[in-house]
Amino acid sequence: GNSVTQMEGPVTLSEEAFLTINCTYTATGYPSLFWYVQYPGEGLQLLLKATKADDKGSNKGFEATYRKETTSFHLEKGSVQVSDSAVYFCALNGVDMRFGAGTRLTVKP
Amino acid sequence: DTGVSQDPRHKITKRGQNVTFRCDPISEHNRLYWYRQTLGQGPEFLTYFQNEAQLEKSRLLSDRFSAERPKGSFSTLEIQRTEQGDSAMYLCASSFLAGDISYNEQFFGPGTRLTVL
Repeated sequence: GNSVTQMEGPVTLSEEAFLTINCTYTATGYPSLFWYVQYPGEGLQLLLKATKADDKGSNKGFEATYRKETTSFHLEKGSVQVSDSAVYFCALNGVDMRFGAGTRLTVKP
Repeated sequence: DTGVSQDPRHKITKRGQNVTFRCDPISEHNRLYWYRQTLGQGPEFLTYFQNEAQLEKSRLLSDRFSAERPKGSFSTLEIQRTEQGDSAMYLCASSFLAGDISYNEQFFGPGTRLTVL
């Protein structure tokens, strides 16, 4: 069945550092891929998405490219801020949404 | 605010008691989903509705769990005879599906945190 494997955390970075969170998937067909973010005490918020191969999703300085050949959707940001501290979930969409286990990011000033 | 809402936000109960949670989706959304999230894990699918019809249930949804969406609007999730292992965050999400399922963006509520003592 469909599944998502996400880089385990936690990840701790200094402000303005480069961020990569790896995500690979297994799926039949051509699912859409998503990154969700969960801030402390809040629900999941959609960060970005890509609906087909080679699409690049971007939002708030974050980017991820749908790579069919490597079945990956890695999340990147060139310069993280303290306010980016949260848990990030990679997900793919079929009948239901399948999530990775989440990666906790802490950005220190 | 027209986002997904859930009630209550927190529930503490004793083992063996029944609990019921409510989810109000975004009003024009025809699909409603329930997920369970335990500490350090991503959300796990429980069940979903298209309008009032419950179309799929995960094997995680034991016979102590029941969900309804009687008029195709709000939904309830009931857990009977709660166990300590039911302690988790229960998330509701909604979406509007009008065609290609691969573009089914889901909007999440804040969740109900259940603690079973």
